[in-house]
Amino acid sequence: DADVTQTPRNRITKTGKRIMLECSQTKGHDRMYWYRQDPGLGLRLIYYSFDVKDINKGEISDGYSVSRQAQAKFSLSLESAIPNQTALYFCATSVLGLAGADTQYFGPGTRLTVL
Amino acid sequence: LAKTTQPISMDSYEGQEVNITCSHNNIATNDYITWYQQFPSQGPRFIIQGYKTKVTNEVASLFIPADRKSSTLSLPRVSLSDTAVYYCLVGVMEYGNKLVFGAGTILRVKS
Repeated sequence: DADVTQTPRNRITKTGKRIMLECSQTKGHDRMYWYRQDPGLGLRLIYYSFDVKDINKGEISDGYSVSRQAQAKFSLSLESAIPNQTALYFCATSVLGLAGADTQYFGPGTRLTVL
Repeated sequence: LAKTTQPISMDSYEGQEVNITCSHNNIATNDYITWYQQFPSQGPRFIIQGYKTKVTNEVASLFIPADRKSSTLSLPRVSLSDTAVYYCLVGVMEYGNKLVFGAGTILRVKS
């Protein structure tokens, strides 16, 4: 969805380096998420934020940190990258849907390779 | 957290109706059922969401029986472009209640 953008789209880095993945959205949604996806598996939630001053750990937050700089921006950092963090990373936003629960909108993904 | 079970994969042919069933025996009273579609190297895309009975939109229908312990995503007249992974999620995204994307169902549509 073009309303959710991620930078960079691809990144190759070395073990021990600090990496930041950025997400921006123009949907005006308060809720934002970071997921990772490994080959053949579903998405796993890393962190989520329901508004600018709210940060919550997800299923697999160890080794990651986030910053919610504004309603539209949510960044994911790997303080010291390791090879098993090689994965496809997705940012998402959500809004309460007509049916009564959140509908999530995903960005195009960032493919991160840690050597 | 409601656990979901879906078939690992399904095959179909163009023009057929495809039904993918998701089991969620421990669904909670306030849980919703949401389906997403994902193409390779792309983010998931919302398809449909419901709470009970039947929901229909321009791309799919969602059937939920009275006991809500399962749900069926129905894709009418599939085409090759419907080849993707389909995820069934059960729950609501609230504090401490994390929606879980399982492995999903790989749908392959053949000509």
